[in-house]
Amino acid sequence: DAGITQSPRHKVTETGTPVTLRCHQTENHRYMYWYRQDPGHGLRLIHYSYGVKDTDKGEVSDGYSVSRSKTEDFLLTLESATSSQTSVYFCAIKGAPPYNEQFFGPGTRLTVL
Amino acid sequence: AQSVTQPDIHITVSEGASLELRCNYSYGATPYLFWYVQSPGQGLQLLLKYFSGDTLVQGIKGFEAEFKRSQSSFNLRKPSVHWSDAAEYFCAVENNAGNMLTFGGGTRLMVKP
Repeated sequence: DAGITQSPRHKVTETGTPVTLRCHQTENHRYMYWYRQDPGHGLRLIHYSYGVKDTDKGEVSDGYSVSRSKTEDFLLTLESATSSQTSVYFCAIKGAPPYNEQFFGPGTRLTVL
Repeated sequence: AQSVTQPDIHITVSEGASLELRCNYSYGATPYLFWYVQSPGQGLQLLLKYFSGDTLVQGIKGFEAEFKRSQSSFNLRKPSVHWSDAAEYFCAVENNAGNMLTFGGGTRLMVKP
């Protein structure tokens, strides 16, 4: 158990509304990630963070923003949700050496109507 | 940029039969490679990883994978499949900076009794 929680676990919202997803870790890892999972695409990186206030874009960052004001929390915001952002969102952290793999949270299922 | 291809979207095997899931990657340098498994409604769990050294790596749940540089492949194998192995499997490659994973589209495994 890598100590990663995501909230909410499920959310239904309407097009045009803002949405914020939260990822919380308990183990003080430097790197945190947000992915979206869609059938046939595997997981695609949205944004990642390499420290407090240090973030960078991933493959599918358009329409998303992130913030990390504390080591333990990484927030993903959809400023104005669209139906194409209906997806399952996963947060991940990268373990410290020698455990360099990423550990994933349980996911948030977001539906945008 | 790196990429990962999992040619088989769905595979069905009988319980007790052997399994091989294919993964091909495109990457300029020596890759760091991973296999993850996702049970329905769950997050991703690491099965095994290859960083260097022995090209045959052992993982959890009786899985193994073989890195073949000449074929740019990292296929996952199991000699005898159990019904509980039914899940989706993802291959991933890490970039040279060590801060991002690129995933394949996934292979969904079904196990017949």
